[in-house]
Amino acid sequence: NAGVTQTPKFRVLKTGQSMTLLCAQDMNHEYMYWYRQDPGMGLRLIHYSVGEGTTAKGEVPDGYNVSRLKKQNFLLGLESAAPSQTSVYFCASSSPGTGPEAFFGQGTRLTVV
Amino acid sequence: AQKITQTQPGMFVQEKEAVTLDCTYDTSDQSYGLFWYKQPSSGEMIFLIYQGSYDEQNATEGRYSLNFQKARKSANLVISASQLGDSAMYFCAMREGVGNYGQNFVFGPGTRLSVLP
Repeated sequence: NAGVTQTPKFRVLKTGQSMTLLCAQDMNHEYMYWYRQDPGMGLRLIHYSVGEGTTAKGEVPDGYNVSRLKKQNFLLGLESAAPSQTSVYFCASSSPGTGPEAFFGQGTRLTVV
Repeated sequence: AQKITQTQPGMFVQEKEAVTLDCTYDTSDQSYGLFWYKQPSSGEMIFLIYQGSYDEQNATEGRYSLNFQKARKSANLVISASQLGDSAMYFCAMREGVGNYGQNFVFGPGTRLSVLP
């Protein structure tokens, strides 16, 4: 069972570069989330989606964009990376039909130099 | 305002003893869900236990139980008979918005538990 898969797992970017993180889930979940994890701050919600074609801002959306063109995929984009975006990024998915908990990907460690 | 508070950055417990990890939350919703996740050093997020705001009984899952005190807005995790493999970061989380399946899914800062042999 693949569950939630994040690509890539590691990445180093130079300041100002752009990149896209891909999250794919094979559980037919309605909701998908992007979080960032920083030491001492837990997981903070960046953006989320409640269905194909819909997205919404979370707690820390600035500097990020998202798209959900297909139900199974949720993309997180950084248009112009900054050192403050160095973090571990987690994608998660959930659906009312499968219970209240969210299922997480393995995380992407991003370093912006 | 911080919705989830975990006041213990780090905790130590002796192997085979019980330990309580504290969590308090803030919400004006009547219907919400509370969760605990474990993050070992390998980094993955592992779901442990869930409590719905209308559940009258405290949730239990094996060695994990959730001490839910609604009036005090606390949802402490109790781990009985600690094992070395329990050493990890533990996150308390809350889901609000539309009952237990709301879109707003927020996490606390976490507590690092170390189990001593």
